[in-house]
Amino acid sequence: GNSVTQMEGPVTLSEEAFLTINCTYTATGYPSLFWYVQYPGEGLQLLLKATKADDKGSNKGFEATYRKETTSFHLEKGSVQVSDSAVYFCALSDLDGQNFVFGPGTRLSVLP
Amino acid sequence: DTGVSQDPRHKITKRGQNVTFRCDPISEHNRLYWYRQTLGQGPEFLTYFQNEAQLEKSRLLSDRFSAERPKGSFSTLEIQRTEQGDSAMYLCASRPRVSPETQYFGPGTRLLVL
Repeated sequence: GNSVTQMEGPVTLSEEAFLTINCTYTATGYPSLFWYVQYPGEGLQLLLKATKADDKGSNKGFEATYRKETTSFHLEKGSVQVSDSAVYFCALSDLDGQNFVFGPGTRLSVLP
Repeated sequence: DTGVSQDPRHKITKRGQNVTFRCDPISEHNRLYWYRQTLGQGPEFLTYFQNEAQLEKSRLLSDRFSAERPKGSFSTLEIQRTEQGDSAMYLCASRPRVSPETQYFGPGTRLLVL
């Protein structure tokens, strides 16, 4: 079945540091890939997505590129802020939006 | 429209009691999903509806759980005879016909069973 693996957290960075959170997946066919962010006490918010190979999703300074050859969708940001502190979830779904599968999440803490 | 809403946001109950949660999806989103999220984990799929029809249920959804979406708009999730292991965040998400691969989540209902 489909699955998503993320780097374990917590990840602690200083403000303005570079961020990478690794995500790899196993899936049949050609899934869509997502990053969701969850702030304390809140539900999940869609951060960015990519629906086909080599697509780059971007939002709020975050980027991730759909790499089919390495089955990866790593999240990056050039300069993190304290307000980026949250839990980040990598996820995939098939083209019809079925079989939505989440990774376990990576907690990011950004220190001033 | 401000997005998916859920009610209540928090619920504390005693073991053995029944609880019901409500989800109001983004209007005109035809698909609605329920997930359960425990501490330190990603959401796990429970069930989903297309309009009023419940099309799939996870094996996580024991017979104490029931979900409805009677008019194809809001949905309810009921847990009967709650157990301490039911303590979790229950998330609802809806999905539009356009860009069907994307789900939009509500804020969740946090359940604590004492």
